[in-house]
Amino acid sequence: SQQGEEDPQALSIQEGENATMNCSYKTSINNLQWYRQNSGRGLVHLILIRSNEREKHSGRLRVTLDTSKKSSSLLITASRAADTASYFCAALYSGGGADGLTFGKGTHLIIQP
Amino acid sequence: DGGITQSPKYLFRKEGQNVTLSCEQNLNHDAMYWYRQDPGQGLRLIYYSQIVNDFQKGDIAEGYSVSREKKESFPLTVTSAQKNPTAFYLCASRARDRGGYGYTFGSGTRLTVV
Repeated sequence: SQQGEEDPQALSIQEGENATMNCSYKTSINNLQWYRQNSGRGLVHLILIRSNEREKHSGRLRVTLDTSKKSSSLLITASRAADTASYFCAALYSGGGADGLTFGKGTHLIIQP
Repeated sequence: DGGITQSPKYLFRKEGQNVTLSCEQNLNHDAMYWYRQDPGQGLRLIYYSQIVNDFQKGDIAEGYSVSREKKESFPLTVTSAQKNPTAFYLCASRARDRGGYGYTFGSGTRLTVV
């Protein structure tokens, strides 16, 4: 399986603090994406970073990509209670073979008011 | 507004029955996907389709079947051959450029075997 891993599996912080989640993947990627899932709902696309990019920002989100270490991190700054959700990284692998994103198992983030 | 509609939201199946989950999109997306999510787990790819009348197996296709007769629709049938079908099923779609866009997901169907 090419499934990646997120770290940590669960994270609980106080409102206003920053939250950092990490993701590792297996082989060369086309891009890496981060998604958010509220309990029992579908996934919402947050941000995409291409393999030739190292950092990307979107509002309070900052994503980095280190292709030499096959890892990515998602930073949420100034967290809010509404950020409580599960966050998944998903790799789009390069080359031929099956299409479709390969998801990690997710980080469950709890923001305490 | 454009989006993906999955129905039903909840589905109960008896042992030995086939059930079909609906997925419809009005985003004019070419590619569509079915994923399965088990509690506390990530998503695993069941089937995908890049164009009409064509589809490919994903990582866990056994016990499932799909069709893609229309661009807008990609129904998933969970057959009696699927031994552990209780899960949350998510449908997704994307535009043609696989390198540049994220996927759009439906709100999911929760299937329970009774």
